[in-house]
Amino acid sequence: QAGLTQSPSVSKGVRQTATLTCTGNSDNIAKHGAVWLQQHQGHPPKLLSYRNNNRPSGISERFSASRSGNTASLTITGLQPEDEADYYCSAWDSTLPGYVMGTGTKVTVL
Amino acid sequence: EVQLVESGGDLVQPGGSLRLSCAASGLTFSNYEMNWVRQAPGKGLEWLSFINTNGDVIGYADSIKGRFTTSRDNARNSLYLQMDSLRVEDTAIYYCSTDQPGDLEFEDWGQGTLVTVSP
Repeated sequence: QAGLTQSPSVSKGVRQTATLTCTGNSDNIAKHGAVWLQQHQGHPPKLLSYRNNNRPSGISERFSASRSGNTASLTITGLQPEDEADYYCSAWDSTLPGYVMGTGTKVTVL
Repeated sequence: EVQLVESGGDLVQPGGSLRLSCAASGLTFSNYEMNWVRQAPGKGLEWLSFINTNGDVIGYADSIKGRFTTSRDNARNSLYLQMDSLRVEDTAIYYCSTDQPGDLEFEDWGQGTLVTVSP
């Protein structure tokens, strides 16, 4: 099972904008969209965005998700120190009954 | 409020077995599909298994297929992961997570349970 590809790391300054990408294929992201998860060190993951790109209740508007073809994106505007975390994408895959997970992107806020 | 509590993690030798449990509360468990996800030390998240609401559709990652078995007991509001033929590389924190009706995946997570496979 091939996973979803993410850039290993992104470093940006406070109040800057970071855009994270997640690349899959026609069996997963293109067909089903992707969710985004945030994980702080030592904590379980937290859902940031549903597959329809909407945010769960309580998630800041600074996080916005989108999709184009096989690629999903997460944009974090106005970066804050608390945004420093690992970010993962995941998508349902038609070849399984199940999901594929992204390789993760570590966001550092300078 | 949805609460998921994993249990059953332990230190086990290679080739051994463990059964993990995920106790759910604050939701109508029988309406939720469920997942197991793990994270090895210093590594990323790895999706392991999916089970639908009545347990007749179950999917596994290739890394665990044939060794691990997912099941659920809706009367007990519980999800299970039977882990056999454990390997050192199965050492990880194991999380359960909900898929809510309406394609609302990975909405809720437990705190995880640690499985250590070591000689």
